[in-house]
Amino acid sequence: QVQLQESGPGLAKPSQTLSLTCSVSGGSISSVIYFWSWIRQPAGKGLEWIGRINTSGSTNYNPSLKGRVSMSVDTSRNQFSLNLKTVTAADTAVYYCARYMERRGFDFWGQGTLVTVSS
Amino acid sequence: QSALTQPPSVSAAPGQKVTISCSGSNSNIGNNYVSWYQHVPGKAPRVLIYDNNKRSSGVPDRFSASRSRTSATLDITGLQTGDEADYYCGTWDSSLRGWMFGGGTRLTVL
Repeated sequence: QVQLQESGPGLAKPSQTLSLTCSVSGGSISSVIYFWSWIRQPAGKGLEWIGRINTSGSTNYNPSLKGRVSMSVDTSRNQFSLNLKTVTAADTAVYYCARYMERRGFDFWGQGTLVTVSS
Repeated sequence: QSALTQPPSVSAAPGQKVTISCSGSNSNIGNNYVSWYQHVPGKAPRVLIYDNNKRSSGVPDRFSASRSRTSATLDITGLQTGDEADYYCGTWDSSLRGWMFGGGTRLTVL
């Protein structure tokens, strides 16, 4: 059974970069049929897709994040990462990592990690 | 505001049926596969339906879904108190070249 686990600081300061890592176990991250994704949920709001990456280096990001987001994959560690630059309080949310497969949607999710942006 | 429109809330008594709608456009639902997610607050979301109408492993047949043109619906029959959760539709948007979720629907089982 594939499992995903988010890790990273729970607090980020305004204007700084939020960095999170998702560790994948129970399966290889290397298959190109999967996209490895980040999704977030601000308190009291709905799910927001942040972006995705696969091990071919193909990426898609939410246009609303206006170039602040980047993702990377480390196949040697079976991990993928999120960097979100110039954060504000509006970026405070529970951040989820998830596996995406065409037609099957997001079939495996991490438990989520709360990141608070505050000085 | 999401380009996929869902009702904010629905409610019904145990044993009854609810329908959750998801309205989009040709660039998303009209030309891409829809999936549905159940999210119990404090837990990870779970995919219920993928490929418009296929149930994920372990999802009871009380859950069903369909897609027609630019809309999709999720039906839940034989409601149970354990079904109380937020439900989200989602699909790819070919114009935005990004995934989108609906705004979410809170299901209350009275």
